[in-house]
Amino acid sequence: DIQMTQSPSTLSASVGDRVTITCRASQSISTWLVWYQQKPGKAPKLLIYKTSILESGVPSRFSGSGSGTEFTLTISSLQPDDFATYYCQQYNYYSPRTFGQGTKVVI
Amino acid sequence: EVQVVESGGGLVQPGGSLRLSCAASGFFVSDKYMSWVRQAPGKGLEWVSVIHSGGTTKYADSVKGRFIISRDNSENRLYLQMNSLRDEDTAVYYCAREGYSYGLTGYFDQWGQGTLVTVSS
Repeated sequence: DIQMTQSPSTLSASVGDRVTITCRASQSISTWLVWYQQKPGKAPKLLIYKTSILESGVPSRFSGSGSGTEFTLTISSLQPDDFATYYCQQYNYYSPRTFGQGTKVVI
Repeated sequence: EVQVVESGGGLVQPGGSLRLSCAASGFFVSDKYMSWVRQAPGKGLEWVSVIHSGGTTKYADSVKGRFIISRDNSENRLYLQMNSLRDEDTAVYYCAREGYSYGLTGYFDQWGQGTLVTVSS
């Protein structure tokens, strides 16, 4: 199975900060990567698919980039609603869907 | 409105069985790949099983041989039959619709609110 590793596990930031979360795959996944946001007690919410395509309704301050084995999620100016846990996930026809361990963004 | 709603969670003893249900609205489960994803308390997300639109099923190694995914097209429902339950199966179980773009599916664009399964004696 493809292993996904996120860093950091916890990120301390302030409103207005530019925030970057990294996700690394144990083997190349081309650009088959998504990002989710999850708030406590809630289901995950799809933010970005195929590395860089914003899901409908997601604010433009979120962006994604990368290819192969290294990917990033960037929040250009952190807003109060963005304090949450973020997960990356790879999807590949030949491998089970796997998630990163999550990055918690805290004040 | 597109929506999925899970039910059927609860407390079960180790070795017991439970069947989860997921009611879909706004789309047909038979047209989509549908998955179950779980999250143990305080932990990350783990994909459990998928049923393809054509009926093919796949499972995570951790549940293979114990869990069975199925669907009822007439009721537009997805199910997860969980047998031989273990302590480590304790989690919130989410029903999730898979999105499709650029020729590939495998990511989750619609999630339910989740149903808690607790395996404990």
